[in-house]
Amino acid sequence: TQLLEQSPQFLSIQEGENLTVYCNSSSVFSSLQWYRQEPGEGPVLLVTVVTGGEVKKLKRLTFQFGDARKDSSLHITAAQPGDTGLYLCAGYLRGGNKLVFGAGTILRVKS
Amino acid sequence: NAGVMQNPRHLVRRRGQEARLRCSPMKGHSHVYWYRQLPEEGLKFMVYLQKENIIDESGMPKERFSAEFPKEGPSILRIQQVVRGDSAAYFCASSPWHTGQSGNTIYFGEGSWLTVV
Repeated sequence: TQLLEQSPQFLSIQEGENLTVYCNSSSVFSSLQWYRQEPGEGPVLLVTVVTGGEVKKLKRLTFQFGDARKDSSLHITAAQPGDTGLYLCAGYLRGGNKLVFGAGTILRVKS
Repeated sequence: NAGVMQNPRHLVRRRGQEARLRCSPMKGHSHVYWYRQLPEEGLKFMVYLQKENIIDESGMPKERFSAEFPKEGPSILRIQQVVRGDSAAYFCASSPWHTGQSGNTIYFGEGSWLTVV
């Protein structure tokens, strides 16, 4: 069983559409991170959220950390083909010493 | 990702051979983490090491797998008598101090892709 459940597992959309990826858990996390990974490469950190209710924006990407620090979402506005990739959420459990990953969401944006 | 160096990037081994994957952390980083990733899946924690010490190996298979991070030189993930199920991408990450609750960033390498034939 995954500590962090990501949904959807796979998303295929047209260029210009908006989308939201969810990362949920029944456990409380001291921080959550979102990564993007392209085929054949390592994950690249997009953002870290540490405060319940926190919202961070990175150009067309908006990240939110739930009030109870058990969930997070990634919203992309006006998706572009360059957004294609595997999006991973990961977090540190309270008192934990290792980064735990969700299974990922594969995003394909068609032009 | 720049700074965490992994080699080899691609490795092919026959069943029963040994695989050695190396990771040089970013300069000044003394904490190393190894993760394994199956195709189109998330990363699974394997082991967390600090110089000369294994801090957490809860994700390591009980047999055939070992890891070290000597005082001098890179961290090594060693897989003995490889089987087809060991085929995966192995990622190393490093940090300057213990992360955990501080939420400090760990930096990933580009990965080593192991194929067992």
